Amino acid sequence: AQKVTQAQTEISVVEKEDVTLDCVYETRDTTYYLFWYKQPPSGELVFLIRRNSFDEQNEISGRYSWNVQKSTSSFNFTITASQVVDSAVYFCALKDTGFQKLVFGTGTRLLVSP
Amino acid sequence: GAVVSQHPSRVICKSGTSVKIECRSLDFQATTMFWYRQFPKQSLMLMATSNEGSKATYEQGVEKDKFLINHASLTLSTLTVTSAHPEDSSFYICSARPPRGSGNTIYFGEGSWLTVV
Repeated sequence: AQKVTQAQTEISVVEKEDVTLDCVYETRDTTYYLFWYKQPPSGELVFLIRRNSFDEQNEISGRYSWNVQKSTSSFNFTITASQVVDSAVYFCALKDTGFQKLVFGTGTRLLVSP
Repeated sequence: GAVVSQHPSRVICKSGTSVKIECRSLDFQATTMFWYRQFPKQSLMLMATSNEGSKATYEQGVEKDKFLINHASLTLSTLTVTSAHPEDSSFYICSARPPRGSGNTIYFGEGSWLTVV
């Protein structure tokens, strides 16, 4: 069965701090896709990053970076030099090739204060 | 720009009436769209998978007669909440998947806030 766990319910940081959001996933499939989405107070889901199970390297895109540890099935997301506009709920999600739907974690609320 | 558009963004309806929410895929033809429901401060729960030209596939516990889904074209899926009740008040959001071979990212609409009074 597919499952995504985000153990952090809420994180508060001060602007310019780095923050890492944790995600642990479960799937039986060997090919799968991991996502991070951002949901600001307005409600829309903003796609941030996708990582394929066959990707070998961890990546950086601007202030975002992500790290997959297959040994622990973790898919962590880091925001460098956080900004107030980063305040939102962040969802980790999993999609495998067997099921086309996304399975979401429970979300982590990030509060960045000035 | 938006890849998936949802309308209306907010709607208030009276108890007992029906309300329709539209989800449009703007940049690609989507044979499959998904409808999610989100209660305040909770995660997104998949309600149903909308399949173009065929019946929707509902998740366990979702009343198909109450939440009617129609996917009449490759760019439009609609969700109709029939005989709405206050407990149907929620945030509804749709997503669309590009055709096979066009990538595996799933894009979401802006969501629709439904309030039943």
